[in-house]
Amino acid sequence: LAKTTQPISMDSYEGQEVNITCSHNNIATNDYITWYQQFPSQGPRFIIQGYKTKVTNEVASLFIPADRKSSTLSLPRVSLSDTAVYYCLVGPLRIGATNKLIFGTGTLLAVQP
Amino acid sequence: DSGVTQTPKHLITATGQRVTLRCSPRSGDLSVYWYQQSLDQGLQFLIQYYNGEERAKGNILERFSAQQFPDLHSELNLSSLELGDSALYFCASGGETGTYGYTFGSGTRLTVV
Repeated sequence: LAKTTQPISMDSYEGQEVNITCSHNNIATNDYITWYQQFPSQGPRFIIQGYKTKVTNEVASLFIPADRKSSTLSLPRVSLSDTAVYYCLVGPLRIGATNKLIFGTGTLLAVQP
Repeated sequence: DSGVTQTPKHLITATGQRVTLRCSPRSGDLSVYWYQQSLDQGLQFLIQYYNGEERAKGNILERFSAQQFPDLHSELNLSSLELGDSALYFCASGGETGTYGYTFGSGTRLTVV
């Protein structure tokens, strides 16, 4: 799997938009980019996934530039409940095959009132 | 409720003992993944099973073993427990649909005393 680099931590205030960037310089042609959210003492939760350009769902947006060497998770108008660790993962999608879903250190987002 | 069920939620045991953690994947999922998360090491991939067969191994100790049964539930066996084995153990399922949208359970917190 492609190695990813994220900021260790970020601070924000309620109501602000938060952008977390992940670098993945060695991303392969068949790799997808996926983001997970983890609250303390809970299992990670899938947020969003994309291959190129922009993907948006009810929770977040994912921006991927043309070279795909980085991606940005955008959380609109964060609230205190968005305080969590956010993980960026990069890898191929292989149905039923060997998939070592390897998590990096993630980004701890702290949202303050 | 994520659909992935892990039992027990909490487990306290003494060093040298053996415990079994259980995971029932989300309905329809054939893959099960086990992760260990301790305070100082983040999420560590242990092992993956797909439809009863072992598919991938991560940093799983020889004292640890796992299996997936015909009904697709999985058990992680931890033996000769040490203080350092105290951690949250997560199970995840999914991946058959060609996405990285794996679903995690709420985890089992193991405390070795």
